Amino acid sequence: AQSVTQLDSQVPVFEEAPVELRCNYSSSVSVYLFWYVQYPNQGLQLLLKYLSGSTLVKGINGFEAEFNKSQTSFHLRKPSVHISDTAEYFCAVSLTSGTYKYIFGTGTRLKVLA
Amino acid sequence: EAGVTQFPSHSVIEKGQTVTLRCDPISGHDNLYWYRRVMGKEIKFLLHFVKESKQDESGMPNNRFLAERTGGTYSTLKVQPAELEDSGVYFCASRQTGYGYTFGSGTRLTVV
Repeated sequence: AQSVTQLDSQVPVFEEAPVELRCNYSSSVSVYLFWYVQYPNQGLQLLLKYLSGSTLVKGINGFEAEFNKSQTSFHLRKPSVHISDTAEYFCAVSLTSGTYKYIFGTGTRLKVLA
Repeated sequence: EAGVTQFPSHSVIEKGQTVTLRCDPISGHDNLYWYRRVMGKEIKFLLHFVKESKQDESGMPNNRFLAERTGGTYSTLKVQPAELEDSGVYFCASRQTGYGYTFGSGTRLTVV
């Protein structure tokens, strides 16, 4: 079975500061990895994904993540955050075949402070 | 292209009542998924349709939940009778085979 851990439930950070949101996963087989963002009263929006290839993945809105197989991590980073990045962020994995259903982490609320 | 549409956006019902949630996927997307997030917890998979067939319903909590997908188009998720622990946000997503997910905005269900 697969599992995803997001240890930080809330992360406050000042505007223009860098941020890292942590994600660790557990799986005995290969998985695909994803980061989603949910803004208030909206659906889940894909930020970026790792399927294969380069371990550094760039996504929308200046976010990037690095897949680290040895540490089973997929941390999300942004070098300089904006007020508009305030949202909840979800890390997820899926198997590489079958239903492609997601296993999500519990989410991290990013609060960007002025 | 229209996105995934869910309605209602909010529903407040009393314990023991019945509620039906609806999801209209993107036209042409054969795959349709239901997920649920109970307050403060992770988003959990409920089930997966391919066209009108249930491929995986391993996440359905119990037999009070019934999902259907009429003619491979829209889907409904009925909860009957609703219990307090059914409160949460229900997400629907659709996917064209070989491509990624598109999520709806969710239905917030409150059972009082």
